[in-house]
Amino acid sequence: EIVLTQSPGTLSLSPGERATLSCRASQSISGYLAWYQQKPGQSPRLLVYDASTRATGIPARFSGSGSGTDFTLTINSLEPDDFGIYYCQQRTNWPALTFGGGTKVEIK
Amino acid sequence: EVHLVQSGAEVRKPGESLKISCEASGYSFISYWIAWVRQMPGKGLEWMGIIFPGDSDTRYSPSFQGQVTISADKSISTAYLQWNSLQSSDTAIYYCASSYCHAPGCHNYFESWGQGTLVTVSS
Repeated sequence: EIVLTQSPGTLSLSPGERATLSCRASQSISGYLAWYQQKPGQSPRLLVYDASTRATGIPARFSGSGSGTDFTLTINSLEPDDFGIYYCQQRTNWPALTFGGGTKVEIK
Repeated sequence: EVHLVQSGAEVRKPGESLKISCEASGYSFISYWIAWVRQMPGKGLEWMGIIFPGDSDTRYSPSFQGQVTISADKSISTAYLQWNSLQSSDTAIYYCASSYCHAPGCHNYFESWGQGTLVTVSS
């Protein structure tokens, strides 16, 4: 089973700052990675898939990069609505898949 | 518009059985996978398993194999997650998610999610 490790566990930032979130896979997953955002009491929302493609309706301040085992989600100029927990998900062996443990982005 | 509507919150005692549902609309139910995801209190997302309603092909995470049963009824566009004997550690929110996606290329990810079903298991 492919394990996804996300870091840091928590990111404390102010609105307007840049957030850089990491997701590392235990083995190469090519570019088959997605990022989701979850806010308290809500279902997850797909932000980015195939490592760097923004999902429908996702603002351009969200960008994904990486391939192989190391991936990054960057949120440029954080807005108050961006605070929450972010998860990565791989689908290399679709339909089997795994999620990372999450990174919490909180207001500093 | 795509909707996944899950059944309501449930409270059960340890050892009891339970079946929760996820009704899909707005797309071809038989053509896309439906996954079930667990979120224990204050914890992250865990993939439990996935079903292709078109032919009922079902896969389970090793962590959940034998612990739950996933099924689907094509005639009513509904997927199910079932337990035969609940434990207190099954207390969690359970989400269904569909691999239907508006854009090309994202059909192996989850753009559409249900609202979640809270399952509480307590004596």
